[in-house]
Order: sequence, then C-alpha cells, then structure tokens
Amino acid sequence: DTAVSQTPKYLVTQMGNDKSIKCEQNLGHDTMYWYKQDSKKFLKIMFSYNNKELIINETVPNRFSPKSPDKAHLNLHINSLELGDSAVYFCASSLGHNTEAFFGQGTRLTVV
Amino acid sequence: GENVEQHPSTLSVQEGDSAVIKCTYSDSASNYFPWYKQELGKRPQLIIDIRSNVGEKKDQRIAVTLNKTAKHFSLHITETQPEDSAVYFCAASPSGNTGKLIFGQGTTLQVKP
Repeated sequence: DTAVSQTPKYLVTQMGNDKSIKCEQNLGHDTMYWYKQDSKKFLKIMFSYNNKELIINETVPNRFSPKSPDKAHLNLHINSLELGDSAVYFCASSLGHNTEAFFGQGTRLTVV
Repeated sequence: GENVEQHPSTLSVQEGDSAVIKCTYSDSASNYFPWYKQELGKRPQLIIDIRSNVGEKKDQRIAVTLNKTAKHFSLHITETQPEDSAVYFCAASPSGNTGKLIFGQGTTLQVKP
C-alpha cells in the first residue's frame, strides 16, 4: 500500500545506454513530478505533469523524456546516458499547487 | 529567477538544545512554504508547512515562522533528540499554478547524545 512507488531502486549502467524508471501513485493525485537529487543533495525539479499533460519542463536535456500513460503513472526514459546523469531521481505526486508533495523512495542511477 | 537560499549547511547541537534553520526566497508571489526531512538513504518527507496567510505554525517540538515582507522563513526544533539527525530542506512554491517546489540547499543536522 505504498503511496508513491518507483522502480528500480538502484540502476547501474554504462554510458550511452538507454534506461527507464517507472513511477506509480495510488493517492488519486492529479499532479506528478520528477526531481533530481545530485551528489550534494540538491533537489531540483525536472518535470511536472497534471492529468497526463506536461506543465513544466525545467530546461532538461531532450535525452530525458517523461511519459504519463494515465494520471497514476509517470515514467522517465533517458537516452544516451552520460556520466553526469548519475544522481538519485525522485518521483513525487500532489493534489496540486500549494499542497504536500509525496515522494517515492528514489532511484539511484549510476552511469559508469 | 526563482531561488531559495538556506542556512546553515551543517548544524551540530547537543541533545536537548534547540536548532534553527533559516531560508530566504526570491519570488514575492510565493505563498506555500513546506519543510522536508530526509534521513540517510530515504525519501524526503514533509514535517511541517506554512501558508502566507499565517505568520507562525507549531506542531509539538517543531515550529515554523514566516516573514513575508522580508521573504524569510525559519524552522525551529526544540528539545532536539538524536532521531532528529537528518537533512532538512526548506522549499517555496513560486507563482504559477504548477505545483512545483523550489528547494533550498539543505541543512545537515546532527544531534549529539
């Protein structure tokens, strides 16, 4: 009965590969997000979706492509992985603006 | 642009002492200010939030104050315990109905027993 779940928890891959991270929420929220947490713990928003529609793309390289098949799911596909993509990626969801964001457990991506 | 500055980056206190973390934000239209706690290897979790129509909010040992004029808000933890040790993030929700949060850089709090 986890509220926001993402898989996998760990992902180790070589440069140049393509990988996906999946996220699902069972809270009935309309808005979902992807955040990136770098090695210095800094949390930065990447994307925001509302009811399957993209509403924020924070100047993320187009190698990153989110996909929302329905409002309970927001997946992140990354093409041509680079060393600098290594980070922890958090999925989150909320009812909407100015409400609590619930985070998934994070996916630690290591590009070697 | 939208920015949230958080200080200090690290804070070490003795068990039982108080801890204060301060944040400033740039977007004067921001009106929602949550605080998240992140334990090592875990997800960020909300501990308290405040909206711009309120100047102070308290929940047991945790309190948050907001000064909209100065664009400044603070987290106060009293009677700290070792389990309060974690990274704390302030955040602000900027103008625009997007739901996104702009986070501060984080404060690593260590409570020594």
